[in-house]
Amino acid sequence: AQSVTQPDIHITVSEGASLELRCNYSYGATPYLFWYVQSPGQGLQLLLKYFSGDTLVQGIKGFEAEFKRSQSSFNLRKPSVHWSDAAEYFCAVAPRGYSTLTFGKGTMLLVSP
Amino acid sequence: NAGVTQTPKFRVLKTGQSMTLLCAQDMNHEYMYWYRQDPGMGLRLIHYSVGEGTTAKGEVPDGYNVSRLKKQNFLLGLESAAPSQTSVYFCASSYSLLQGAIWNTEAFFGQGTRLTVV
Repeated sequence: AQSVTQPDIHITVSEGASLELRCNYSYGATPYLFWYVQSPGQGLQLLLKYFSGDTLVQGIKGFEAEFKRSQSSFNLRKPSVHWSDAAEYFCAVAPRGYSTLTFGKGTMLLVSP
Repeated sequence: NAGVTQTPKFRVLKTGQSMTLLCAQDMNHEYMYWYRQDPGMGLRLIHYSVGEGTTAKGEVPDGYNVSRLKKQNFLLGLESAAPSQTSVYFCASSYSLLQGAIWNTEAFFGQGTRLTVV
């Protein structure tokens, strides 16, 4: 069965600093990979997704993620964090061709002034 | 431009009571899902549907039933609520579109239903 690990439960970053959120997956083949963001009391919004091709994927709100097959990782990055980026971030995987997402447990991002 | 709408947004139940959560999507998506979100657990799939009239079990189906009588609606039922079912429930819908050799897909989520069972 597929699984997703987000090693960091909480991360605090200073406003303007760079950000990297880690995601590792376990799956027999290369799955579809996603990053979602959830603001307090809200639903989930898709930041970006990777299916194939270029391993560096650009998303909304200035986020990007890099797929590394050798490390089974799909880390999310942002060069300069804004206070409005404070939220919970979820990495998710799905078998190729299907939409049944398996989520990691999430990383809560706190942004300090 | 409603997307995925969940009803109700909040509910308090007594142990043993029953209720139905309604999810409606207006995007003509084939696939629909119910997840529950608990602190430190991420989102876990309860049941899903790959089309009208079909349902399947997810990771944590016990204590829940679902129905998909119409393509746009996906109902989640709790027949006899238990405190362990206190959670935030999210409905999602998705498309799957073949583009060349790749199935393009994306899930859209509702705003959630906060359920407390006392």
